[in-house]
Amino acid sequence: SQQGEEDPQALSIQEGENATMNCSYKTSINNLQWYRQNSGRGLVHLILIRSNEREKHSGRLRVTLDTSKKSSSLLITASRAADTASYFCATDATGTASKLTFGTGTRLQVTL
Amino acid sequence: GAVVSQHPSRVICKSGTSVKIECRSLDFQATTMFWYRQFPKQSLMLMATSNEGSKATYEQGVEKDKFLINHASLTLSTLTVTSAHPEDSSFYICSANNGGLNNEQFFGPGTRLTVL
Repeated sequence: SQQGEEDPQALSIQEGENATMNCSYKTSINNLQWYRQNSGRGLVHLILIRSNEREKHSGRLRVTLDTSKKSSSLLITASRAADTASYFCATDATGTASKLTFGTGTRLQVTL
Repeated sequence: GAVVSQHPSRVICKSGTSVKIECRSLDFQATTMFWYRQFPKQSLMLMATSNEGSKATYEQGVEKDKFLINHASLTLSTLTVTSAHPEDSSFYICSANNGGLNNEQFFGPGTRLTVL
């Protein structure tokens, strides 16, 4: 399977703490994207990082990309209960006609 | 902008019937649409890539005669699950690509299919 791996599979933190999720992939990529999914709902695009970028910020989100290690991390700072969701990384591999390959996902639970 | 809708949002059907799911890009033209399936507590698995006016490209292990895809216009793709069985029960999600530089895909809200 070409599916990427994410860890941890599940993460439980208290409101105000930071949450870090990691994603590893297997092929060369054009870009890597992070998505959020609330239970039983569609996906919301969070951030895209290109293969020539190493770090990107968007509000409370910080994404890093290390193409030499084929890995990425998503940091959510000052988490809120509303951040509770599943988070997926998705890679746009070179030569795959724009197909995205999703990681296994991290289920984040933020408690009050 | 970049809104994708799906209809219906949920459907319950009897085994052996066929179910059609629509995916529409509401405010942009989608050069490519993708269909995914997601089982409970699992990730999204790509089923097929749909290009307007041409036959869909199916991923390995996905039966093209079972999952019929029609992409008749730049704003509409349909997935028909033929002769549905309980094991086809899943969450089906479509996405649309507007052909932009970054290949950003915009996802529909999903369709929950339950086959009795």
